[in-house]
Amino acid sequence: DAGVIQSPRHEVTEMGQEVTLRCKPISGHDYLFWYRQTMMRGLELLIYFNNNVPIDDSGMPEDRFSAKMPNASFSTLKIQPSEPRDSAVYFCASSFFPGGYTGELFFGEGSRLTVL
Amino acid sequence: AQSVSQHNHHVILSEAASLELGCNYSYGGTVNLFWYVQYPGQHLQLLLKYFSGDPLVKGIKGFEAEFIKSKFSFNLRKPSVQWSDTAEYFCAVSGDSGAGSYQLTFGKGTKLSVIP
Repeated sequence: DAGVIQSPRHEVTEMGQEVTLRCKPISGHDYLFWYRQTMMRGLELLIYFNNNVPIDDSGMPEDRFSAKMPNASFSTLKIQPSEPRDSAVYFCASSFFPGGYTGELFFGEGSRLTVL
Repeated sequence: AQSVSQHNHHVILSEAASLELGCNYSYGGTVNLFWYVQYPGQHLQLLLKYFSGDPLVKGIKGFEAEFIKSKFSFNLRKPSVQWSDTAEYFCAVSGDSGAGSYQLTFGKGTKLSVIP
């Protein structure tokens, strides 16, 4: 079974440009999480979905960030306009439950974003 | 709000040395505790987890962790490390977020470098 698939793996863009990160969760998982990893703040939960519905987006840093899950097999995280401080590795993860119940989130390999 | 503190940013050990990585958490209620590992170039994966019962938990690849409730700690240990243990290790905690769901909060990670 394929794991969580993220694209692109690397993205370099200029300040002000729109960035779209994509995620395909593991088939059958009904929870999807977006995390951001930086040196300063570590791994932060941005938003998570249950059955395609956003449950908690309190971690989304500001209005420039938006996430959608139009169906069970696809999610996007969009940054518009992008800023240099958005440079980070963005991870998508999926699970059968909220991570705390089983403890096992299945992570993708991440999308490394660099905003110049 | 829950938080996780990992004491060491980078640990360097020779092969066969013993390992202990510190993790302390802050949370007022019942928690679930986890260690995740990220090998170079790979995605995060679960190493071990504690929900309840025996506070000494054994995970994959010879790792174990001990939950000490009075110290709010969940330190990771391995008696004899190998070069292949070179990775970044993340402690994580989950507790009831108050919205009826549990969310994982990660520490900032500890990089382990094992010298052959």
